[in-house]
Amino acid sequence: DAGVIQSPRHEVTEMGQEVTLRCKPISGHNSLFWYRQTMMRGLELLIYFNNNVPIDDSGMPEDRFSAKMPNASFSTLKIQPSEPRDSAVYFCASGLIGQGGQPQHFGDGTRLSIL
Amino acid sequence: DQQVKQNSPSLSVQEGRISILNCDYTNSMFDYFLWYKKYPAEGPTFLISISSIKDKNEDGRFTVFLNKSAKHLSLHIVPSQPGDSAVYFCAASVDRSNTGKLIFGQGTTLQVKP
Repeated sequence: DAGVIQSPRHEVTEMGQEVTLRCKPISGHNSLFWYRQTMMRGLELLIYFNNNVPIDDSGMPEDRFSAKMPNASFSTLKIQPSEPRDSAVYFCASGLIGQGGQPQHFGDGTRLSIL
Repeated sequence: DQQVKQNSPSLSVQEGRISILNCDYTNSMFDYFLWYKKYPAEGPTFLISISSIKDKNEDGRFTVFLNKSAKHLSLHIVPSQPGDSAVYFCAASVDRSNTGKLIFGQGTTLQVKP
């Protein structure tokens, strides 16, 4: 059974460019989470969706960040314009909430470098 | 405001011995706790969890203990193996809120020496 799939695995781009990260959650999961991992702040939640609806985006750092989930099998995280301080590893995770004590399952992340 | 804290950034143990990783939390509303393991260039992998109605949960070599009065949980790995060398994150949630939202600690890097 396929896990959470993220693409690309690595992205290197210049400051000011638009960056789009993609995520395919595990089939049947009803929640999707975007995280960012940095040395300074650790693993921080950016936004999460339940049944494709954004529930809490309080972790999104700025208006330059946006996320969408047009259907149950696909989500994007977009940064426009990108800045060097956005360099980090971005993880997507999916889970099955509402059934008590279910863990989230993570993809392998996208390592983003903004030059 | 760090609600979940792992105060030890790193831990080194000898193969075959016990590894004990610790985690403290401040929010008394947390009722579900998890441990994840992370290898370099991979995403965190779920390891073991515990509900607040329990004080211990065991899965093979891994045992998680929960002390609600102290707001403390720990992960015991016995016996430790070199393949256990990884970063370990504890996480907590208010499971009854049905959001699935997890708050993660900063992680502890475990090195198991052969």
